[in-house]
This record gives sequence, structure tokens and C-alpha cells, in this order.
Amino acid sequence: GNSVTQMEGPVTLSEEAFLTINCTYTATGYPSLFWYVQYPGEGLQLLLKATKADDKGSNKGFEATYRKETTSFHLEKGSVQVSDSAVYFCALSGGYNKLIFGAGTRLAVHP
Amino acid sequence: DTEVTQTPKHLVMGMTNKKSLKCEQHMGHRAMYWYKQKAKKPPELMFVYSYEKLSINESVPSRFSPECPNSSLLNLHLHALQPEDSALYLCASSQDNSYLSTDTQYFGPGTRLTVL
Repeated sequence: GNSVTQMEGPVTLSEEAFLTINCTYTATGYPSLFWYVQYPGEGLQLLLKATKADDKGSNKGFEATYRKETTSFHLEKGSVQVSDSAVYFCALSGGYNKLIFGAGTRLAVHP
Repeated sequence: DTEVTQTPKHLVMGMTNKKSLKCEQHMGHRAMYWYKQKAKKPPELMFVYSYEKLSINESVPSRFSPECPNSSLLNLHLHALQPEDSALYLCASSQDNSYLSTDTQYFGPGTRLTVL
């Protein structure tokens, strides 16, 4: 069946550091891939998405590329800010638009 | 406008109470979703409504009863809940949820439910 695996957190970085959060998936067919972010006490916000192989999603300095050959969708940002502290969920869209989430990775950025 | 609203923001209820959670969207979306999220876990899908009809029930206990009065509103009726049902309940909507759909789901801020 479909599944998503994310790197375990928490990830702790200093401000302006480079961020990578790994995400790999298992799926039949060609799912769309998503990164959602959840700030403390809030719901989920779409950060970026990619719908086919080699697509790059980007938003607010975050990027992720849909790699079919490695079944990966790693999230990167060149310079993190304290305001990026949140939980990040990688997800894929299976049949009937059902989202399959990874476990989530908590990011803490310190000044 | 990509806003999904949920009320109330917080709810505390006893195991014998009956309460309802409400969700609203005005994006013209025809699919609406209920998720349950326990602390430090990802959201788990509970129900999906498509064109105001229940299309997916992920084997949710009958003490949770969803309702879709119209295309903009989604309710979740709660009755005889257990303390382990305490969680953040999230509503989401998308353009549709046909089999090949990969439409973005837009989430509300959630209702934090505590069952005493």
C-alpha cells in the first residue's frame, strides 16, 4: 500500500542554517506529493506541492523536487528563520484524494 | 480566499454530553473532510463528503456522526465520547475527491476537544 517515511525529529538549527528534511514514499501509480506545515496551536497549511516526476515545488524559500527514481521529495531551505519553527508533514495523495501523511518532523530554530 | 473556519476553537465535554463541531468553507469546494489528530501524530482521516454525500468512512465509531447540511457546511456530532477521543479535530476541503483527484486540501485551524 501507499506510505510515507520522514526523518525523525526534532531537528534543531541555528538561524540562517541550511535545512533538509528527508521524505521518501511508496506508492502505486503516480501520486501527487505535498509538504504541509503546522505551527503551534494551528491547523495544517500547504507549503508546496508537486504533481509529477521532476516537478519542483517552491514557496517562502522552501523547495522540494519530485524524484521518481529515488521515490523521494526532500524539503530544503537555504536559510531558516526562527519563524520557521513548526512541524512539517510530507504527504502523498492516493486514490479519491486521500492524503497519506508521514509521521511529521519538528523543526526548532534558535536565534 | 482559501479559508476554512471551524467552531468552537476549544471544547470540553463529559462522557454523557452531546456536542457538535462545525466547519465552513466558501471556496466552492465540493469535497469536505474530517480528520482527528492526536498529540505529536499526523492527522488521521475520519470521513469524506463529496457533493454533500458521505463517500468515505474510515471505520469510525458510531459515537461520531458527520453531517453535511449544504455544500459549504460540515458538522461532526459527538455523543458518549471516551477520554481517548480527546484530540484536535481538523476539517479540510478540496475542489473534489474523484478517484484521480490530487486537489490541494485546505485545512481549518481545528477544534481542540477534551473529554472528561
